[in-house]
Amino acid sequence: ETGVTQTPRHLVMGMTNKKSLKCEQHLGHNAMYWYKQSAKKPLELMFVYNFKEQTENNSVPSRFSPECPNSSHLFLHLHTLQPEDSALYLCASSQEVPGLGVNEQFFGPGTRLTVL
Amino acid sequence: GQQLNQSPQSMFIQEGEDVSMNCTSSSIFNTWLWYKQDPGEGPVLLIALYKAGELTSNGRLTAQFGITRKDSFLNISASIPSDVGIYFCAGQLGDDKIIFGKGTRLHILP
Repeated sequence: ETGVTQTPRHLVMGMTNKKSLKCEQHLGHNAMYWYKQSAKKPLELMFVYNFKEQTENNSVPSRFSPECPNSSHLFLHLHTLQPEDSALYLCASSQEVPGLGVNEQFFGPGTRLTVL
Repeated sequence: GQQLNQSPQSMFIQEGEDVSMNCTSSSIFNTWLWYKQDPGEGPVLLIALYKAGELTSNGRLTAQFGITRKDSFLNISASIPSDVGIYFCAGQLGDDKIIFGKGTRLHILP
């Protein structure tokens, strides 16, 4: 138990569906992240929210839309996805200290997404 | 962009053996992190290294931050079945984003 929870754990959706992934962190951190994990590839950073503001969007297609209503919750809204978007989507959080650059990220268990 | 080369990609060892894996980069980092991911779970932080030359242990795990700041290794001594999983290295420079390696998949034969 890392203090970061994700729901659902598994999701199967069609290409025309709209769904949302949810992440919640109970660690009092001020930064949250979405990563995509595909087989045999490094973890791919998608979005970073720091103090509730999006500070990074790593050239992610617009069919993925993040939302961070507060520092404890992070959503990833999905619509018109493609089969190649099937992957494990991981949420992480960390306590950012400006200027220190130390960034120990704590990960949730992930949502296994399958797009048919 | 920055890349981490993590090796080996996979390992098959006997229970009780020691394990060694490493990460190298063409760029320098000022933080190295080692994570383990069990099947169906997210990565869990094992060891964090902040200083070149630093050697840190966590139980049977030992990791070192290379003196050139471009590499790091992780050793596991006397492996046990629950060590099975994927081990990831990650590096960070300053406030830049963390870069992850592709992982080393550890298999333990009975």
